[in-house]
Amino acid sequence: EAGVAQSPRYKIIEKRQSVAFWCNPISGHATLYWYQQILGQGPKLLIQFQNNGVVDDSQLPKDRFSAERLKGVDSTLKIQPAKLEDSAVYLCASSRTSGGASEQYFGPGTRLTVT
Amino acid sequence: EDQVTQSPEALRLQEGESSSLNCSYTVSGLRGLFWYRQDPGKGPEFLFTLYSAGEEKEKERLKATLTKKESFLHITAPKPEDSATYLCAVQELRGGATNKLIFGTGTLLAVQP
Repeated sequence: EAGVAQSPRYKIIEKRQSVAFWCNPISGHATLYWYQQILGQGPKLLIQFQNNGVVDDSQLPKDRFSAERLKGVDSTLKIQPAKLEDSAVYLCASSRTSGGASEQYFGPGTRLTVT
Repeated sequence: EDQVTQSPEALRLQEGESSSLNCSYTVSGLRGLFWYRQDPGKGPEFLFTLYSAGEEKEKERLKATLTKKESFLHITAPKPEDSATYLCAVQELRGGATNKLIFGTGTLLAVQP
């Protein structure tokens, strides 16, 4: 079974530029998550999708971050405009279901550096 | 406010020297407690889920246990390949479909040959 795929793996941009990350979850997983992991910290949930609907985006900085999962499979996370403090690893995860303690499986992440 | 605290921040062991990592948590109700392993430059790798106090799970040299306030990850006779950051996360028991994991900052384990 293929794991969660993410691209690009690395991205360097200047502040105020925009950037987008792509994620393809494990086949058959209805729930998709985006987490932000700042160096030395644990991941923090940004947004959770159930199929193509948003379940939880309470910690997403909506003035600059947006995410979509239009067909209920792949997802894109966008930052516009980027700030220095957005430098982090952006992790995508998926799980079979939501609403229960189902295991979340993570992709390799995209390391973003904002200069 | 929900909190997850892991200790120690870093641990250095000799190969074969057993030890334990601690994860203490504060949540209004626990749906599940998760342990993950993270290698440098990679995403977290799922290890265990624990649901209720008294539960134990094992995988190779790792054993996870759970009480009402904390979880331990016991490492028996570790090998250098066990070197990684071990992350603990909790999922709160609440209504709705949110599956938010609240992570600790992790324990960086180094096992020397």
